[in-house]
Amino acid sequence: EAGVAQSPRYKIIEKRQSVAFWCNPISGHATLYWYQQILGQGPKLLIQFQNNGVVDDSQLPKDRFSAERLKGVDSTLKIQPAKLEDSAVYLCASSRDGNSNQPQHFGDGTRLSIL
Amino acid sequence: AQSVTQLGSHVSVSEGALVLLRCNYSSSVPPYLFWYVQYPNQGLQLLLKYTSAATLVKGINGFEAEFKKSETSFHLTKPSAHMSDAAEYFCAVIGGQAGTALIFGKGTTLSVSS
Repeated sequence: EAGVAQSPRYKIIEKRQSVAFWCNPISGHATLYWYQQILGQGPKLLIQFQNNGVVDDSQLPKDRFSAERLKGVDSTLKIQPAKLEDSAVYLCASSRDGNSNQPQHFGDGTRLSIL
Repeated sequence: AQSVTQLGSHVSVSEGALVLLRCNYSSSVPPYLFWYVQYPNQGLQLLLKYTSAATLVKGINGFEAEFKKSETSFHLTKPSAHMSDAAEYFCAVIGGQAGTALIFGKGTTLSVSS
């Protein structure tokens, strides 16, 4: 089966600009996650979708970050305006049904650099 | 809240030597625990998971981990390291508001020398 697809792979922007990342999960996977991985740290959950509904966005900086999964398939994560501390790798993951013992499958990530 | 602590940010071994990567968890209930591996410029790949079925869990690429409740540990081992094992390793526990997100440790970089 095809894996989780993310684009772009790399993005360089200046602070205060906006940026968007795209994720297409594995076909049939109901649960989609966005994680932020800052250099030297483990990934941290930003937002979790079950189909097209948000089930956890408690760690999403909502003043600048937004995400949607309108049709319950692919998803977009946006940052506006970007800050220097947003430099990180943004990882998308999906799982079949969100049960805690279901494995999460990760994409290769988008590496964001803020100048 | 669920959390994991990985002891040692960097571990170096010789090819053929035992690999031991340490992880301790903090959980008020029996946890689901995972080990993931990340190669440069790639996403995370699941090595193995503990879901309370058996305390010794075997994963891919010859790795295994043992769940020890008395020590709140879930250390990852491999009897003989290969050069291809050089990567970043993350221990994770299930948590989050919905109870299904992964909460990761800070990671351990494994270096393998010939």
